[in-house]
Amino acid sequence: QSALTQPPSASGSPGQSVTISCTGSSSDVGGYSHVSWYQHHPGKAPKLIISEVSKRPSGVPDRFSGSKSGNTASLTVSGLQAEDEADYYCYSYAGSDNWVFGGGTKLTVL
Amino acid sequence: QVQLVQSGAEVKKPGASVKVSCKASGYTFTGYYIHWVRQAPGQGLEWMGWINPNSGGTTFTQKYQGRVTMTRDTSISTVYMDLSSLESDDTAVYYCARGPATKGLDPWGQGTLVTVSS
Repeated sequence: QSALTQPPSASGSPGQSVTISCTGSSSDVGGYSHVSWYQHHPGKAPKLIISEVSKRPSGVPDRFSGSKSGNTASLTVSGLQAEDEADYYCYSYAGSDNWVFGGGTKLTVL
Repeated sequence: QVQLVQSGAEVKKPGASVKVSCKASGYTFTGYYIHWVRQAPGQGLEWMGWINPNSGGTTFTQKYQGRVTMTRDTSISTVYMDLSSLESDDTAVYYCARGPATKGLDPWGQGTLVTVSS
């Protein structure tokens, strides 16, 4: 299956909010509530920040939130901080025991 | 704490095979699927497949059918990902991560760099 579509880049100033989209189809994002988001700093392991569309694991700041409408999931980072600068990936169930990542979005804090 | 520790970096020649290990600790090994994900240089994350450590059952994305084998040794809480017929395009960092993916992959191993070069 093809990668989910994310914007290659996003940016915002400290304190601002930014939203990253993740567009798939009715066969993946739109068909299931199994969408998660990962923060990936280069050279480190990816970190789960949102599961099941909008659930925040313990220890993840409430500045991170997730939602879904139709075939598009979204990650919003509020109150941007310098340490939020990283790559962000969405991940969705795609049926038949298969899973798919988005292409990734590089978030820059200006 | 829950932890996945992977084997060290590998350098392989084209056509060879590589076996990456992922040792789990801090939880019941057979209770959670392990997923494998890779990231080629300058590219995004790519899901490869999963193994059920309890049954040994596996699923791979079609791209790797016939080239990848995932196994486990429950006596040492370790899963293995074996990739054969390596090409330069297989140069990547390979990660293992604990499922269930329905609730998000967490935690992840530290990654294993596999370099394929003649």
